[in-house]
Amino acid sequence: QSVLTQPPSASGTPGQRVTISCSGSSSNIGSNTVDWYQQLPGTAPKVLIYSNHQRPSGVPDRFSGSKSGTSASLAISGLQSEDEADYYCAAWDDSLNGRVFGTGTKVTVL
Amino acid sequence: QVQLVQSGAELKKPGASVRVSCKASGYSFTGYYVHWVRQAPGQGLEWMGYINPHTGGTNYAQKFQGRVTMTRVTSISTAYMELTSLRSDDTALYYCARSLYYYDGTDYWGQGTLVTVSS
Repeated sequence: QSVLTQPPSASGTPGQRVTISCSGSSSNIGSNTVDWYQQLPGTAPKVLIYSNHQRPSGVPDRFSGSKSGTSASLAISGLQSEDEADYYCAAWDDSLNGRVFGTGTKVTVL
Repeated sequence: QVQLVQSGAELKKPGASVRVSCKASGYSFTGYYVHWVRQAPGQGLEWMGYINPHTGGTNYAQKFQGRVTMTRVTSISTAYMELTSLRSDDTALYYCARSLYYYDGTDYWGQGTLVTVSS
């Protein structure tokens, strides 16, 4: 029932760049800001990116976000082993009058 | 520092109700919305709704309307989520999280409360 679509998995070797896409519609990504969350195994989600591209203090600048039209993307540069986690995008949906999450992407460091 | 501390794990039978609490500290409780998000085992995140602790106003996801009630007690900076008529597919980790505006992203999350529904 997720409204935002992400690839189920992504992978890379240490030091590589990995990009995760998030596809939505005009009622969510197209008209509201996008946030990205990292969920390490057994822990609560943690915000990585808010308002499309802003990083909270403490989040490494290896993580960057962007948005164009009804899609958004998260890039992880200089991939590290501790980046192995699930990643979710999220946005407010004006039609549903609620928050919607992406389907989630599992990132594996080879 | 900002903290959201949730109540402990619950085991409930089908048809029962559960109430999960979320105690806030380190910030003005009435200045931020409290959202509830759940995650079934091995599944993704699902938004359930939010409460405005200042006014008590709520907004529930359509899927949960009629079964969920979100309340708060401002004197103890605590928000509550009650889910009724529990089914096995309600088994999940339930998280509370705060946001500055209702449409904003959530910046702090509770540790999660496991609710297991089983006969």
